[in-house]
Amino acid sequence: DGGITQSPKYLFRKEGQNVTLSCEQNLNHDAMYWYRQDPGQGLRLIYYSQIVNDFQKGDIAEGYSVSREKKESFPLTVTSAQKNPTAFYLCASRAGLSGNTIYFGEGSWLTVV
Amino acid sequence: GQQVMQIPQYQHVQEGEDFTTYCNSSTTLSNIQWYKQRPGGHPVFLIQLVKSGEVKKQKRLTFQFGEAKKNSSLHITATQTTDVGTYFCAVLSGNTPLVFGKGTRLSVIA
Repeated sequence: DGGITQSPKYLFRKEGQNVTLSCEQNLNHDAMYWYRQDPGQGLRLIYYSQIVNDFQKGDIAEGYSVSREKKESFPLTVTSAQKNPTAFYLCASRAGLSGNTIYFGEGSWLTVV
Repeated sequence: GQQVMQIPQYQHVQEGEDFTTYCNSSTTLSNIQWYKQRPGGHPVFLIQLVKSGEVKKQKRLTFQFGEAKKNSSLHITATQTTDVGTYFCAVLSGNTPLVFGKGTRLSVIA
């Protein structure tokens, strides 16, 4: 079954802790993205990667880090430097220049307790 | 960077009424996409418009791309409770990330 898998779906973090959200895709897509969505708000771009071993900051990269060691994987780490991390995090992928459609994972809810 | 403004932010309708959301840009767009996000879910691709003046239909949904390619609309005829969710427009340019509007949240009262 092809698609994008995000895990965990729900995560609670204590203040001061780093947490990593997993994103795996078996669509053979080149580009992968992380978006943040706050309740009732739109999607804001955190980081994106267009090719393995390369990634770029999005509009709200502060307090986050990513890696792209494999084509199918693009994990996002929410660090303790992120002052307000409680949000819904969405991973997405796209085939590249030949692909117009963005496919989203089901998302991860992160709550700071 | 490229921005798209989407209005209204919220819309409450009675079941059976029509609904329209608008997406506007100050610059000419190469294309525009529409997504639907159900409550608690993730955005799902609906359609892409590319040509000036293009109109596409999906059952009760009608999508339009303006003649100047600076605006777009999504119209739902005779809304149903299954239409509830947030509708986003988005712009894709070359290999750059998708830029989303802030979305219109639709509530349908049965």
